[in-house]
Amino acid sequence: DQQVKQNSPSLSVQEGRISILNCDYTNSMFDYFLWYKKYPAEGPTFLISISSIKDKNEDGRFTVFLNKSAKHLSLHIVPSQPGDSAVYFCAASLNNYGQNFVFGPGTRLSVLP
Amino acid sequence: GAGVSQTPSNKVTEKGKYVELRCDPISGHTALYWYRQSLGQGPEFLIYFQGTGAADDSGLPNDRFFAVRPEGSVSTLKIQRTERGDSAVYLCASSSPGTGLSNEQFFGPGTRLTVL
Repeated sequence: DQQVKQNSPSLSVQEGRISILNCDYTNSMFDYFLWYKKYPAEGPTFLISISSIKDKNEDGRFTVFLNKSAKHLSLHIVPSQPGDSAVYFCAASLNNYGQNFVFGPGTRLSVLP
Repeated sequence: GAGVSQTPSNKVTEKGKYVELRCDPISGHTALYWYRQSLGQGPEFLIYFQGTGAADDSGLPNDRFFAVRPEGSVSTLKIQRTERGDSAVYLCASSSPGTGLSNEQFFGPGTRLTVL
């Protein structure tokens, strides 16, 4: 049973528009959430994170929103650029239980020029 | 100033053989993690080291899998009697935990293991 779900395996967006990637989780004990980006033949790279005490965190073109009651988070990228084309993984962790992350299956974002 | 490195980048072996995968973390990072990523899936946690000791090995799928980090730096993931289902990309990550919340993990490029 997947604890972290990303129900859209792929997403295509026009350059300059907003990209919205969604993530749902089932374990209410998760306390910290991250987004990682992965290019082919490379390891995932950290993008942005959010603690459960917040509902929004912004870093440049990237904003993560957290809705704890719905167990849902989303990553907004605006404006989208062709270099943003990659696989995006949502991950969650239990702060008090250690540091391993539970990853979702990923969403492949294609930003079309 | 190098990132996390993993060797080999690709490994092809036959069913039943033994393999070792190596991870060199970022210098000074005390925490080291191994993940396995199967096709179409996200990384799946295997084991986490804090220094030389395995702080959490709950993700190791069975006793064919073992990992060591004898000097608190380089780590080796060992797989005995490989099976075709072990085919995946094995990712290593390191971090420098402080206090409080989970910290960013820096990933290596992975080792693609293929068991024929």
